[in-house]
Amino acid sequence: NAGVTQTPKFRVLKTGQSMTLLCAQDMNHEYMYWYRQDPGMGLRLIHYSVGEGTTAKGEVPDGYNVSRLKKQNFLLGLESAAPSQTSVYFCASSPVARLYGYTFGSGTRLTVV
Amino acid sequence: LAKTTQPISMDSYEGQEVNITCSHNNIATNDYITWYQQFPSQGPRFIIQGYKTKVTNEVASLFIPADRKSSTLSLPRVSLSDTAVYYCLVGTINNNDMRFGAGTRLTVKP
Repeated sequence: NAGVTQTPKFRVLKTGQSMTLLCAQDMNHEYMYWYRQDPGMGLRLIHYSVGEGTTAKGEVPDGYNVSRLKKQNFLLGLESAAPSQTSVYFCASSPVARLYGYTFGSGTRLTVV
Repeated sequence: LAKTTQPISMDSYEGQEVNITCSHNNIATNDYITWYQQFPSQGPRFIIQGYKTKVTNEVASLFIPADRKSSTLSLPRVSLSDTAVYYCLVGTINNNDMRFGAGTRLTVKP
C-alpha cells in the first residue's frame, strides 16, 4: 500500500517549457488535490477533483491545468512555465468524509530558470 | 472559511509537554478542527481531528473549549523528532478548500 505517489521528485525547467506532474493514489479515495508550497509559507490549493472526470479551481489556479481521467490519478500541467512557478508541489487525496484528514505525497520540487 | 491564528514559532526541550493554541473566532457550527504535522521535505501528515471537548490518540491530544473559538494541540513528552511545523485547519468534514496558514514552527532542543 503505497498511499500517494508523486512523480517526478525533482525537475528543472526553462522558462516557457511545459511539463506534467503525476499523482497516483491506491486508497480508492474520491477526492484529490494539488497544492503548492513556497519557502516559509503554508500550502495553497491550486486545483482539486471530487471524482473521476471532474476538476475545480482552488486558491491559485492561474498557469496550471489538471485532469482526472482515472480515479487513481490526478495530473497537474504547466503549459508555459514561469519562474514564479518555482515551488514544491504536493498532491493529496481523501475519502468523501474526511475523518482522518488528507493523505499527502512526498512532493515534487520544481525549479523554473 | 474560518480564519485561524497560531503562533509563528515555539521552542521546547526534550521530555516537556508542548501546547500549541489556535484561535478560530468565526468557526461555524459544522466545522471540525484538524491538525497536521510537516517535516522538512515531506508532505503534511494528519495528527488529530476533533469537534468539541477532548480528543486523544496515540500521538497527541486536542482540547476544544465549549465555545470552540480556540483549540489546543498537546504533545506529551516531546523528543527531537517532534521538531516540525504544525498546522491548524478549520472546516467542514467534506470541505474541498481547506487553507493551510503559515503554521507553528516547533523546535525541540536537547
